[in-house]
Amino acid sequence: ETGVTQSPTHLIKTRGQQVTLRCSSQSGHNTVSWYQQALGQGPQFIFQYYREEENGRGNFPPRFSGLQFPNYSSELNVNALELDDSALYLCASSFPGGRGTEAFFGQGTRLTVV
Amino acid sequence: TQLLEQSPQFLSIQEGENLTVYCNSSSVFSSLQWYRQEPGEGPVLLVTVVTGGEVKKLKRLTFQFGDARKDSSLHITAAQPGDTGLYLCAGATGNTPLVFGKGTRLSVIA
Repeated sequence: ETGVTQSPTHLIKTRGQQVTLRCSSQSGHNTVSWYQQALGQGPQFIFQYYREEENGRGNFPPRFSGLQFPNYSSELNVNALELDDSALYLCASSFPGGRGTEAFFGQGTRLTVV
Repeated sequence: TQLLEQSPQFLSIQEGENLTVYCNSSSVFSSLQWYRQEPGEGPVLLVTVVTGGEVKKLKRLTFQFGDARKDSSLHITAAQPGDTGLYLCAGATGNTPLVFGKGTRLSVIA
């Protein structure tokens, strides 16, 4: 069984630039969620994709956008990067209908905006 | 807005001691998960509880879901340095996205 993998693991960008983060979901999982985790905080929900459609969104501005592909992998795009976007970005995959909403996380992408 | 409050925020104990971490909310959840996260890594799922009053054990870790499904606790017996990490609780209602607490950062000193 293949786990959730994210790329890249680390990234440094300049304020105002754009970034794309990638996630391969766990085998058999059709739902992908993205979270932002600032230092010392719990993960904050950005949005969720189910069968290639956005299926819920947290309190993040439109410059945070995403995609899900037919193989259920996903991308998170952030435009016009701000210093406060520096965080660990986590992708989680799940399969609705299981024992609760069990989510399995990747190792994360550490984004630093300078 | 569903909120999960975790306490304590930080905990530093000696190897061999017992500890309990709490996760509380005013909202009812259909399921609650506990995760452990190490620095620079993603959270790793420890357990899921779905029934009010449910108790699950994972070696030295005991998880309990409150009768009203609004709160949960994690008890660790005879803590070891390998238990060090950030413990996160997360709740969901139906298939809604998980809502996370801010976590309890545990340090077990040998």
